[in-house]
Amino acid sequence: QKEVEQDPGPLSVPEGAIVSLNCTYSNSAFQYFMWYRQYSRKGPELLMYTYSSGNKEDGRFTAQVDKSSKYISLFIRDSQPSDSATYLCAMKAGAGKSTFGDGTTLTVKP
Amino acid sequence: EAQVTQNPRYLITVTGKKLTVTCSQNMNHEYMSWYRQDPGLGLRQIYYSMNVEVTDKGDVPEGYKVSRKEKRNFPLILESPSPNQTSLYFCASSLTGYYGYTFGSGTRLTVV
Repeated sequence: QKEVEQDPGPLSVPEGAIVSLNCTYSNSAFQYFMWYRQYSRKGPELLMYTYSSGNKEDGRFTAQVDKSSKYISLFIRDSQPSDSATYLCAMKAGAGKSTFGDGTTLTVKP
Repeated sequence: EAQVTQNPRYLITVTGKKLTVTCSQNMNHEYMSWYRQDPGLGLRQIYYSMNVEVTDKGDVPEGYKVSRKEKRNFPLILESPSPNQTSLYFCASSLTGYYGYTFGSGTRLTVV
């Protein structure tokens, strides 16, 4: 079993919808949680970074971490066609190795 | 512009012919790492470096070498490439290793 499991998708939503992307993990040592966005033929781009449990908001994006349930989420409000990409969750226990989910591909239709 | 630069972007080579993929960052980051990305397997870490002359294995180090002689550069070396190393490779850097990464644009390698 993988350390990080990500909802596989693909996900297709209409423009303006609220999108929920989710990952679960098994390693209780993970303390640092990240979400990346990857457009086709590009490298991943850091969207959100969270330490430990709680919520973090940045514009239309909200990251949630529930360490007791080993569950993290990324919410996108008022989704736009430009949000169409693959979203990767990533986690780490400390400096050094990051473990990534396999990614969820999102399409936002105009 | 702050960035991670990888070269080449595309490379086709033959089995056994040594190759090097270069990676350079201009952000004075201490931490650098190499990943490969394969369909169904996601991003897997090959090697990482916490600072100059300090490197360590990731999840899939077999068949790869790295060196960190300067802070800005972290080349990936395939001494004897094999077809199972055909993949999309990313270099990434981070200020200290605790924070998220800045990724390069990727190198698509095909070994025939």
